[in-house]
Amino acid sequence: DADVTQTPRNRITKTGKRIMLECSQTKGHDRMYWYRQDPGLGLRLIYYSFDVKDINKGEISDGYSVSRQAQAKFSLSLESAIPNQTALYFCATSDHLEGTQYFGPGTRLTVL
Amino acid sequence: TQLLEQSPQFLSIQEGENLTVYCNSSSVFSSLQWYRQEPGEGPVLLVTVVTGGEVKKLKRLTFQFGDARKDSSLHITAAQPGDTGLYLCAGSPLVGSARQLTFGSGTQLTVLP
Repeated sequence: DADVTQTPRNRITKTGKRIMLECSQTKGHDRMYWYRQDPGLGLRLIYYSFDVKDINKGEISDGYSVSRQAQAKFSLSLESAIPNQTALYFCATSDHLEGTQYFGPGTRLTVL
Repeated sequence: TQLLEQSPQFLSIQEGENLTVYCNSSSVFSSLQWYRQEPGEGPVLLVTVVTGGEVKKLKRLTFQFGDARKDSSLHITAAQPGDTGLYLCAGSPLVGSARQLTFGSGTQLTVLP
C-alpha cells in the first residue's frame, strides 16, 4: 500500500463550490505539506504543518484553508472554488530529522 | 523568497545522447535535492547534495552542487527512454522554517527510442 494517499484523485467542480482534498500517511511523519503544481511553475507551497497543533501559511495560501485532524491526516479546503485554482495538488510528508519529502500521487482539480 | 531557475524547461533527445540540466539561484541553500516526477505520480527523490562542490553519482546520473551552494546540475549519460520525466530541483534555505523547500519550475525530459 502507498505510504501517502490522496483522495479524490480527480475532481471536476463548478465555481463557488466548496471542495475538500484529503491526505493520509502511514509513514509516521510529523510534518505534512500541501502544494499545487501548474505547468511551468513547478511546485508552490500552500500550507504546511509541523505537528497536529501547528499550521503555517505557505507561498500561496489565499483562497485555501487546511485542517490537521491527526498526525496522519491533513486536509486542504477550497471554500469557494474559482477557475484559476484548477491545478494538480500534492500532499507531502517529511520527518523532522531529514529533509526528504515523500509525495502522494496527486489530485487533479478542475474548476469550471 | 528564494527562487530556483531550471533550464532548459523542455528537452527532447534521442536514446544514447548525453544531457545536462541546470538549477540556478542567487540565494545560498543549505542543501539541494533533485526529484523526478512521472505522469500521474508525485515527485520522487533522486538525491540530496549538502556540501559545496559535492558530486554524487546514481548509475548514469551525476549530480553536482556548486561551490557556493547556489546552483546545481544533473548530467545524464547515455539517456534511455526510461529517463523520461519531469526533473525538479528543490533547495532547503539557510534560515527560516526548517525543511521548507523551494522548488524549481522543472525540466521536462523526453528520451526518444
